[in-house]
Amino acid sequence: QVQLVESGGGVVQPGRSLRLSCAASGFTFSTYAIHWVRQAPGKGLEWMAVISYDGFNKYYADSVKGRFTISRDNSKNTLYLQMNSLGAEDTAVYYCAKARGGNYWDAFDVWGQGTMLTVSS
Amino acid sequence: DIVMTQSPDSLAVSLGERATINCKSSQSVLSSSNNKNKLAWYQQKPGQPPELLFYWASTRESGVPDRFSGSGSGTDFTLTISSLQAEDVAVYYCQQYYNSPFTFGQGTKLEIK
Repeated sequence: QVQLVESGGGVVQPGRSLRLSCAASGFTFSTYAIHWVRQAPGKGLEWMAVISYDGFNKYYADSVKGRFTISRDNSKNTLYLQMNSLGAEDTAVYYCAKARGGNYWDAFDVWGQGTMLTVSS
Repeated sequence: DIVMTQSPDSLAVSLGERATINCKSSQSVLSSSNNKNKLAWYQQKPGQPPELLFYWASTRESGVPDRFSGSGSGTDFTLTISSLQAEDVAVYYCQQYYNSPFTFGQGTKLEIK
């Protein structure tokens, strides 16, 4: 079945870096744009970043631009989110989500279960 | 950035009654290329990831019960549950995918009265 599985979350100190992964299965990963969305504890959904199917085009929310980098390895069916200069405001569950029609201007039809990141000293 | 504003923030409805959630965008999300609204609705139950309910504002995702309906165009949209069931308790989000950043509404928490 179509599936996304995030990993790499945990507890990290402020100012440190971390890389999240999102492993895809059940669909042709290399033909779909994929997004990162996060949700702080008890809060709503916040869109973070998207990468095109081929990795050439990337867009970011202002809140993470310059600190976070989205990338993908289509040979491994895996999406990444490199996060630098982490702060308490980055504490959240991080979800990867597939664009329904392939293009990033589309709804998100498949979501992973999420991975929790806690930034704390 | 397109700001998405939902109303109300929370809603309590009796079982079997109608629930209505509104979503307003700060600018039109109607695509000139296909004359469709780039607006989605998601349902998020406690402890679970969001699930897509509607795309193009009113196209129901496969498996979504037909008691759910989506409507609206331009800047004003509505999610309606015609007869509330216990399993519909959740937080509902609208989202625009017209342009980046692909913003979500703040969410509407739906409970049983």
